[in-house]
Amino acid sequence: EPEVTQTPSHQVTQMGQEVILRCVPISNHLYFYWYRQILGQKVEFLVSFYNNEISEKSEIFDDQFSVERPDGSNFTLKIRSTKLEDSAMYFCASSPGGLTEAFFGQGTRLTVV
Amino acid sequence: AQTVTQSQPEMSVQEAETVTLSCTYDTSESDYYLFWYKQPPSRQMILVIRQEAYKQQNATENRFSVNFQKAAKSFSLKISDSQLGDAAMYFCAYRSAIAGNMLTFGGGTRLMVKP
Repeated sequence: EPEVTQTPSHQVTQMGQEVILRCVPISNHLYFYWYRQILGQKVEFLVSFYNNEISEKSEIFDDQFSVERPDGSNFTLKIRSTKLEDSAMYFCASSPGGLTEAFFGQGTRLTVV
Repeated sequence: AQTVTQSQPEMSVQEAETVTLSCTYDTSESDYYLFWYKQPPSRQMILVIRQEAYKQQNATENRFSVNFQKAAKSFSLKISDSQLGDAAMYFCAYRSAIAGNMLTFGGGTRLMVKP
């Protein structure tokens, strides 16, 4: 069964460093998303991406964040200068259409030290 | 903005018994979708069940069913014949059908299944 794949599963980085979280969405899906879950808190929407551009973003998704689909398969989330409060589980998701359910990856745990 | 509330941080059920997880939401929209996602210790979010707001009939998926009360803005999940593998965090989520496709999640309910 097709699935969303995220790498790495765990990333440790120093405060102020740039990180790139990678995702391979399901191949025939058109919509891509990033969510995050700070430990013990709700899953929060960050950004959605369709047709090679951001279609929606939350107030969390500030200038420190960017997304890219550099080729036909990968979807990346970049955090330019990480802060301690960026420590969270980051989930990538994809969906075939805008009104269909999203399929989630297994998450990348980001730890900023 | 929509909000989703899960009032039960933790629930416990005996294996083979039935348990109901509660979810309420707040929206001014009439057309939307509701979901229950399961998050086992592996951390991957797995879709359990989906309900379209325009459908009066409650969704069912094998041992999982929902009680969707649109007027009350309530969307509970019933798990019948609970199994050890059902132990997980369960998240209720809302998505508008007309304004964007982001999911708004509740805070989650941790379900423990006792053998």
